[in-house]
Amino acid sequence: DTGVSQDPRHKITKRGQNVTFRCDPISEHNRLYWYRQTLGQGPEFLTYFQNEAQLEKSRLLSDRFSAERPKGSFSTLEIQRTEQGDSAMYLCAGQLAGVFYEQYFGPGTRLTVT
Amino acid sequence: AQSVTQLGSHVSVSEGALVLLRCNYSSSVPPYLFWYVQYPNQGLQLLLKYTTGATLVKGINGFEAEFKKSETSFHLTKPSAHMSDAAEYFCAVSDRGNQGGKLIFGQGTELSVKP
Repeated sequence: DTGVSQDPRHKITKRGQNVTFRCDPISEHNRLYWYRQTLGQGPEFLTYFQNEAQLEKSRLLSDRFSAERPKGSFSTLEIQRTEQGDSAMYLCAGQLAGVFYEQYFGPGTRLTVT
Repeated sequence: AQSVTQLGSHVSVSEGALVLLRCNYSSSVPPYLFWYVQYPNQGLQLLLKYTTGATLVKGINGFEAEFKKSETSFHLTKPSAHMSDAAEYFCAVSDRGNQGGKLIFGQGTELSVKP
C-alpha cells in the first residue's frame, strides 16, 4: 500500500460532460504528479505540483484540462467537455520531500467516455 | 529529450525459466532509471531503481537490473519465473537535474508465464 488513494476508481460519462477526479497522497508527499495511460501504452506525464504550486504542464494538457492542489494536500483533475479520446486511466503519484527519485502511485481512475 | 524503448511488447516464458525484459534509454546525461510493475486495473509498483553507485541493483520479488552506460541499457532479469510474475512491466527514466521530476515511460512489456 503506497498510501495514495484516488476517487473514483471508475467513471463512465457521456461525451460533452465534465468530470473531476481526486487524488489523496500522504501528508509527507510534497510533490504530486498526474499521468494518463491509454490502453496498451505506458503512462504519459500530464502535470505536477510542488506543494500547492503547479510547476510543469505537458502539452497533452489541453485547455479542457485543469488541475489544482489547494493547500498542498489533495489534488483534483478536471476535464471539461469530455471527448472519446479522453478515455484512459488517470494515475496520480506522490513523492516524498528529499526522496526525489521515488514516486508512489495510486490505483488510478479509469475514465470511459461514451 | 529523454526517451525509453522497451524491446518486445510481449514476452512469454515457462515457469522456472529466466526472465529478461529489455530497456534502452536515450538521454544526454545518464538519468535515474526505474522498473515498475502493473497488475490489471491497478497502479504501478516500483520494482527497483538505479540512482548512483553499484550498477547491478536488486529489487523486490527476486528481480534485478544492470545499468550499462556504454549500452544505454537497463535490462530487467529474474533467474526463475513464477506464475505470479505475469503482469505488465514498465521501464522509466527521470531527469537528475530536477530532483527526479516527471517519469518518462517506455511502452511496456507484457510478461506471460506458462505452467
